[in-house]
Amino acid sequence: GAGVSQSPSNKVTEKGKDVELRCDPISGHTALYWYRQRLGQGLEFLIYFQGNSAPDKSGLPSDRFSAERTGESVSTLTIQRTQQEDSAVYLCASSREAVSYNEQFFGPGTRLTVL
Amino acid sequence: AQSVTQLDSQVPVFEEAPVELRCNYSSSVSVYLFWYVQYPNQGLQLLLKYLSGSTLVKGINGFEAEFNKSQTSFHLRKPSVHISDTAEYFCAAPLSSGSARQLTFGSGTQLTVLP
Repeated sequence: GAGVSQSPSNKVTEKGKDVELRCDPISGHTALYWYRQRLGQGLEFLIYFQGNSAPDKSGLPSDRFSAERTGESVSTLTIQRTQQEDSAVYLCASSREAVSYNEQFFGPGTRLTVL
Repeated sequence: AQSVTQLDSQVPVFEEAPVELRCNYSSSVSVYLFWYVQYPNQGLQLLLKYLSGSTLVKGINGFEAEFNKSQTSFHLRKPSVHISDTAEYFCAAPLSSGSARQLTFGSGTQLTVLP
């Protein structure tokens, strides 16, 4: 079956503009995660969704970052008033449910470049 | 202290030689341990995971890892590497605090297999 997909694959924007990144999880996966990967670094957790529960937003770096998910489907990560330090690869992952031992399946990422 | 530490950022090795990629974890993570591989311009793919039971875990592509509680380590090994193993490797574990479900990642090890 299809894996996790993300769009766009690349996004170049100007400082101060808003961007929206999209993630399509694997069908049937109730948990969805967003991570950020800066050049040469590991992944930083941003936010996760589990079914209809309130999302865990503890990793969002500032109030310019927000994410939405409707039910168990598509999620969008929005970055408002982008800054150069927002440049990174944004990775989405999904799993059957949000438990510690479940494998997370990752999408190919969106490479964001803020000029 | 960092939750998951990968001691080597770059590991060059000749084809058909053995390799070990090191990972240590702290008490701030649950003892569910994962190794992911990221090939160029692709998302992360699970290599193997330790949840419980046998401390020697076998994964895909001939990789294995050994969980060592006394040394708080989960090193990844392969007895004979191929050019196609060139990639970035990440060790990860879920945080043990609260209801955390997200993974915390090491900073990654770039494995380069030389002909």
